[in-house]
Amino acid sequence: DTEVTQTPKHLVMGMTNKKSLKCEQHMGHRAMYWYKQKAKKPPELMFVYSYEKLSINESVPSRFSPECPNSSLLNLHLHALQPEDSALYLCASSLQGTGRTDTQYFGPGTRLTVL
Amino acid sequence: GNSVTQMEGPVTLSEEAFLTINCTYTATGYPSLFWYVQYPGEGLQLLLKATKADDKGSNKGFEATYRKETTSFHLEKGSVQVSDSAVYFCALSDQEGYQKVTFGTGTKLQVIP
Repeated sequence: DTEVTQTPKHLVMGMTNKKSLKCEQHMGHRAMYWYKQKAKKPPELMFVYSYEKLSINESVPSRFSPECPNSSLLNLHLHALQPEDSALYLCASSLQGTGRTDTQYFGPGTRLTVL
Repeated sequence: GNSVTQMEGPVTLSEEAFLTINCTYTATGYPSLFWYVQYPGEGLQLLLKATKADDKGSNKGFEATYRKETTSFHLEKGSVQVSDSAVYFCALSDQEGYQKVTFGTGTKLQVIP
């Protein structure tokens, strides 16, 4: 089973709202990732958690706040977003998070619209 | 730095036609290579991968061979179906440390009946 699940599938929020995206995997993977994908573009890495510790933050604005409560769950807390933050947010996981052969598996994404 | 170059799309083919999507890469180390597929409105799915030179990745009738001498990883399928219509991303990873995947820009494939 190579399934990564994400909820919600769609989210519409105002610029003053606080919302959270959720990601879950039960493959025993120890690394989890958040990506942002704009239309007709490849995914852009935002954050990497390895063994529940934040290992990479790609200079993401503080209005995006990641959280890894345990090795199976990854959250992305959203606050005071801008319309340009509207995008598909993808979660991924991999076995270790290190090594050239480590393979990332993606979830279906959350389509976020900021009004 | 690392980079992945894919052929510009969209690629439009008739059903049962032969597919080739070109992918070349530049890497500082010895990368692993991947093809991901993204169907409309969905996330990325791993299609196939190869981790060393001359390896052939294959899945669902798609194939790609890791060519170190030409730094290429072209995607091929002998007979495409309408259901293959999607965006295809070539990608690489080569770090022994925390992994960052470098994606190509994606190639949109449209298969018409």
